[in-house]
Amino acid sequence: AQSVSQHNHHVILSEAASLELGCNYSYGGTVNLFWYVQYPGQHLQLLLKYFSGDPLVKGIKGFEAEFIKSKFSFNLRKPSVQWSDTAEYFCAVNSGYSTLTFGKGTMLLVSP
Amino acid sequence: GAGVSQSPSNKVTEKGKDVELRCDPISGHTALYWYRQSLGQGLEFLIYFQGNSAPDKSGLPSDRFSAERTGGSVSTLTIQRTQQEDSAVYLCASSLVSGATGNTIYFGEGSWLTVV
Repeated sequence: AQSVSQHNHHVILSEAASLELGCNYSYGGTVNLFWYVQYPGQHLQLLLKYFSGDPLVKGIKGFEAEFIKSKFSFNLRKPSVQWSDTAEYFCAVNSGYSTLTFGKGTMLLVSP
Repeated sequence: GAGVSQSPSNKVTEKGKDVELRCDPISGHTALYWYRQSLGQGLEFLIYFQGNSAPDKSGLPSDRFSAERTGGSVSTLTIQRTQQEDSAVYLCASSLVSGATGNTIYFGEGSWLTVV
């Protein structure tokens, strides 16, 4: 069975600080990896995804994530956060099987 | 439609009553998913449809929960004899096909259910 672990439940940063949100998954086979974001009062939106190829993937709004297979990790990064990045971030994995397994989410609060 | 549409957006119901939540997926999407989002619990998978059949119902928490999909499109999630612990946001999602690499799943805005 797949599982996803997000290390931080809450992160508080000041604007312009760098961000890294940890995500580890457990599954021995080929995986597809996703980061979703949920802004306050809005629905889940896809931030970026990895299926194959270059392990460094770039998403919307300046976010990127790196797939490190040996560490079963897919950490999300942004060099300089903005107040508008305040949201809840979810890491998710599937394995070609149809359903996504999500982590419990990380709430990011960016103070202006 | 342009996105996944869910109704009602908010529902307050009394304990013991039945509720129905509706999902209209993106046009042409054959796969449909229901998830539940509770405070501090992240997103919990409930059930998945491919067309009208449900290959995976493993996430339904009890026999009070059921779902159906007709015409390969609209799906209804039914919760019978609601309990307070059923209070959550019920999210529907759809994707073009299932089980395919490169398959992105798109979410609706959710139905907020409060059982009082």
